[in-house]
Amino acid sequence: GAVVSQHPSWVICKSGTSVKIECRSLDFQATTMFWYRQFPKQSLMLMATSNEGSKATYEQGVEKDKFLINHASLTLSTLTVTSAHPEDSSFYICSAVSTGTRPDTQYFGPGTRLTVL
Amino acid sequence: AQSVTQLGSHVSVSEGALVLLRCNYSSSVPPYLFWYVQYPNQGLQLLLKYTSAATLVKGINGFEAEFKKSETSFHLTKPSAHMSDAAEYFCAVNKAGTASKLTFGTGTRLQVTL
Repeated sequence: GAVVSQHPSWVICKSGTSVKIECRSLDFQATTMFWYRQFPKQSLMLMATSNEGSKATYEQGVEKDKFLINHASLTLSTLTVTSAHPEDSSFYICSAVSTGTRPDTQYFGPGTRLTVL
Repeated sequence: AQSVTQLGSHVSVSEGALVLLRCNYSSSVPPYLFWYVQYPNQGLQLLLKYTSAATLVKGINGFEAEFKKSETSFHLTKPSAHMSDAAEYFCAVNKAGTASKLTFGTGTRLQVTL
């Protein structure tokens, strides 16, 4: 149980285009999802907290107009990187917190590698 | 504010040897502590967590960790390393409670040699 999926797993796009990444909790409902960014050989940096039915809360330094987050249902959150540039190339990982019996644990997706040319 | 410090960005052990990955935390409130493992190009998998119950926590794949408040530590151990344990390990902390954001350490890469 507690499986989180991400789609796509890998995406290459041209500079200036927008890319949408989906994060789904497959076997549980998640009121809260988190989006992280990870640069090569570095730790995870929290970008934003996504709550179902409300606006996301962004961490300091994260551009909310560039990284659009939508959490439209209890099993789906999306991250859209708008007008992507090469510096946005990174590994993006989402996590979800169950509304059920284990609300203290984040379950992570497999990540999406974004390469902007 | 909460933080974790992982001592040693890279640890190398022989197969069959003891694995010890160090994590110290700082928290002004009772913490929940976690260890995650990450294999190349993958997301994070939960190894174990401390949520104020037993101080010795057993996780998957033979790993365990002990919460020591007096030392503000939560070190990860495994009695006998296996080649498949080679990966990146992250210690993380959040506030004791629900759905609060995790703060990660910088990670420790475990190498297992023959």
